[in-house]
Amino acid sequence: KAGVTQTPRYLIKTRGQQVTLSCSPISGHRSVSWYQQTPGQGLQFLFEYFSETQRNKGNFPGRFSGRQFSNSRSEMNVSTLELGDSALYLCASSLMGTGNEKLFFGSGTQLSVL
Amino acid sequence: DQQVKQNSPSLSVQEGRISILNCDYTNSMFDYFLWYKKYPAEGPTFLISISSIKDKNEDGRFTVFLNKSAKHLSLHIVPSQPGDSAVYFCAASFTGTASKLTFGTGTRLQVTL
Repeated sequence: KAGVTQTPRYLIKTRGQQVTLSCSPISGHRSVSWYQQTPGQGLQFLFEYFSETQRNKGNFPGRFSGRQFSNSRSEMNVSTLELGDSALYLCASSLMGTGNEKLFFGSGTQLSVL
Repeated sequence: DQQVKQNSPSLSVQEGRISILNCDYTNSMFDYFLWYKKYPAEGPTFLISISSIKDKNEDGRFTVFLNKSAKHLSLHIVPSQPGDSAVYFCAASFTGTASKLTFGTGTRLQVTL
């Protein structure tokens, strides 16, 4: 069965622009969560979507938003990009996102903001 | 405020020896702990986990130990193999919120021949 797919793999943007990243979860998985990985900060939780609703949210500014579609695919949007937004953005999926389910991660989208 | 800490950014171990990766946490409410392994240009993959009701969990060459009083966990890899060279992330969560993991900053393990 196909894994978590993230597109695009690489993106270069300039400050002030906005960007949209896409994530297709493993078939049958309904929970999609997003993480930001930066050097020295590890992975930081952005938000989680389940059944097209944001269920959990991390400590990121409102410039970071997301949505989930009825087929569980998810998009993440960052508006008014800042240099500090340069990072690897990882998407993870799980069946329900509850209990102690394992998360399955995609390979990420590497975003560079110039 | 880093609630999960991996104080060793890197570790080098000879093939066949034991690798010990350490992790400390500050939030005593965490009750589930995981280790993920990450190769370059790939997403993290689940390695092993432990619930707070246990103090040890073993899976083949990998063993995780949990010391709740010290708020410390460690991952032992025996014997270490070159294919184990990767970045290892420790993570913690509250049971019921599997999607919201709090990660450490990672330890890069290099297994040398």
